[in-house]
Amino acid sequence: DGGITQSPKYLFRKEGQNVTLSCEQNLNHDAMYWYRQDPGQGLRLIYYSQIVNDFQKGDIAEGYSVSREKKESFPLTVTSAQKNPTAFYLCASSTGQGTNTEAFFGQGTRLTVV
Amino acid sequence: RKEVEQDPGPFNVPEGATVAFNCTYSNSASQSFFWYRQDCRKEPKLLMSVYSSGNEDGRFTAQLNRASQYISLLIRDSKLSDSATYLCVVNKRAGGSYIPTFGRGTSLIVHP
Repeated sequence: DGGITQSPKYLFRKEGQNVTLSCEQNLNHDAMYWYRQDPGQGLRLIYYSQIVNDFQKGDIAEGYSVSREKKESFPLTVTSAQKNPTAFYLCASSTGQGTNTEAFFGQGTRLTVV
Repeated sequence: RKEVEQDPGPFNVPEGATVAFNCTYSNSASQSFFWYRQDCRKEPKLLMSVYSSGNEDGRFTAQLNRASQYISLLIRDSKLSDSATYLCVVNKRAGGSYIPTFGRGTSLIVHP
């Protein structure tokens, strides 16, 4: 079945550590996105990529980094520079073509700083 | 002003009730609109796209008013299973592509 896979589902990080969240899709989508969701809040865009080897900062990119070396993969690294990393992280993808393109989501990674 | 605004609720309604949510967006150049449903601690899932002429899917009806820049979702004959957060999504133009931009969501609680 086609879809988006995020791993791990739960992640615990010590302060000062970098961690990488995995996102893989087999939908053959060009565009991929990372969002952060805090309790009671909407989704805020961290980074997005419209094509392999290219990505752009979203609204809250500070303290995060990404890469897009393969079409299927868009990993997100939460660095020690991110002041408040505890949140629910969601990866999404879309065809990126045309105006009426819906986004498909992975199941999310819940990151907790301990 | 936020790009996509929604009343967070919660909307607390009895089973069988009709409930409506509104969402406003700031960018008049926005082209496509969606309603997503998000259950507690889960990922958002597409409920329905919103077309210019309005569209219906069973008990759900979506409307778009471009002049006033708002989108609505009407749920008829509410079920307990409709309890969730409903997210309004507007595709914002970025270069040659479109970025899904989310409202903070409206919480619906359907009680017996």
